[in-house]
Amino acid sequence: DAKTTQPTSMDCAEGRAANLPCNHSTISGNEYVYWYRQIHSQGPQYIIHGLKNNETNEMASLIITEDRKSSTLILPHATLRDTAVYYCIVSRSGGGADGLTFGKGTHLIIQP
Amino acid sequence: DGGITQSPKYLFRKEGQNVTLSCEQNLNHDAMYWYRQDPGQGLRLIYYSQIVNDFQKGDIAEGYSVSREKKESFPLTVTSAQKNPTAFYLCASSRARGSDEQFFGPGTRLTVL
Repeated sequence: DAKTTQPTSMDCAEGRAANLPCNHSTISGNEYVYWYRQIHSQGPQYIIHGLKNNETNEMASLIITEDRKSSTLILPHATLRDTAVYYCIVSRSGGGADGLTFGKGTHLIIQP
Repeated sequence: DGGITQSPKYLFRKEGQNVTLSCEQNLNHDAMYWYRQDPGQGLRLIYYSQIVNDFQKGDIAEGYSVSREKKESFPLTVTSAQKNPTAFYLCASSRARGSDEQFFGPGTRLTVL
């Protein structure tokens, strides 16, 4: 699986949109971009994934650049409960034989 | 409710003792995984199983063992051969290979004294 690069930490004001960037310049054509988050001392939670088109669900939006070398996770109206570590992962599948490779992620802190 | 259960949440053991961590899922998922997380770090894959009675080593399998006798259960044994066993252990499951997402349990925090 390709590696990803994320900022170590970010702040965002409550009620504003949180935009979390991720670089994955060596992504292969058959690899998806997955986002998970982990609230302190809990198991990670799936957020969203995409291949090349932008995706949206009830939690977030995922914007993938045309060359697929980077992506942005958008939480449209951040709340204090969104404070967590956010992981950007590239993988051929979410439940693949080799599991998922989690880096250190971005610690997003939502400020009141 | 459907989900993944890990027990206990906190576990203390003396150095040199084997310890088994429980993971049960009622999601009817074929695949199950064990990850280890150290403070401030991401998750690292220990073992995974795509089907009953079959499992594969992940990136850091040394000092660990698993079994998959039932679809819903995937226990992890931390043996005395594991040099630094104190960590947060997470179990996950997913549908067959190609699934969209993994579902994680709440984790077990193991402290070896």
